[in-house]
Amino acid sequence: DAGVTQSPTHLIKTRGQHVTLRCSPISGHKSVSWYQQVLGQGPQFIFQYYEKEERGRGNFPDRFSARQFPNYSSELNVNALLLGDSALYLCASSLAGGANYGYTFGSGTRLTVV
Amino acid sequence: AQSVTQLGSHVSVSEGALVLLRCNYSSSVPPYLFWYVQYPNQGLQLLLKYTSAATLVKGINGFEAEFKKSETSFHLTKPSAHMSDAAEYFCAVSETGSNDMRFGAGTRLTVKP
Repeated sequence: DAGVTQSPTHLIKTRGQHVTLRCSPISGHKSVSWYQQVLGQGPQFIFQYYEKEERGRGNFPDRFSARQFPNYSSELNVNALLLGDSALYLCASSLAGGANYGYTFGSGTRLTVV
Repeated sequence: AQSVTQLGSHVSVSEGALVLLRCNYSSSVPPYLFWYVQYPNQGLQLLLKYTSAATLVKGINGFEAEFKKSETSFHLTKPSAHMSDAAEYFCAVSETGSNDMRFGAGTRLTVKP
């Protein structure tokens, strides 16, 4: 069975541009969460979606947005990119909403903003 | 508010030695606690989780952790380190009913031959 898949694996963007990251959860999982991991730090919570509804949002600016599709895949969008947005973006899937029973993480998308 | 503190950003042990990675948590309600491992250029893999069923939790790859409420700790141990254990380890906490998981800053484990 496929795990959590994320695309692309790497990308380079210029300041001010927009980026879309994609995630497909494990088959049967209905919840997707997004995390940002800056080099040398632990992951930070951005969003959680469950059954296509936003269930939680971390302390990130409105430049960050996300959505979940009927097939439970998800997109993370970041507008007006800043150098500080350079990070590994991790998608995590779980059967249901909430964070109490743990996640399965994808391998991430490495975003570099120049 | 929930948070975790990992004591020691870098731990170095010899192959075959005991591994001890420290984690202390802060939570206003009963917590759910997790240890994840991250190998270079990869995502996070769940090692084990505490969900109030038992205070001593056994995970994959010979790791285990003990929940100690009185010490607000959830330290990760492995009796005998293997070279393949070299990685970054993250402790995380999630409060009951929470939609987010808070991670510590991580501990890099080095295993010397």
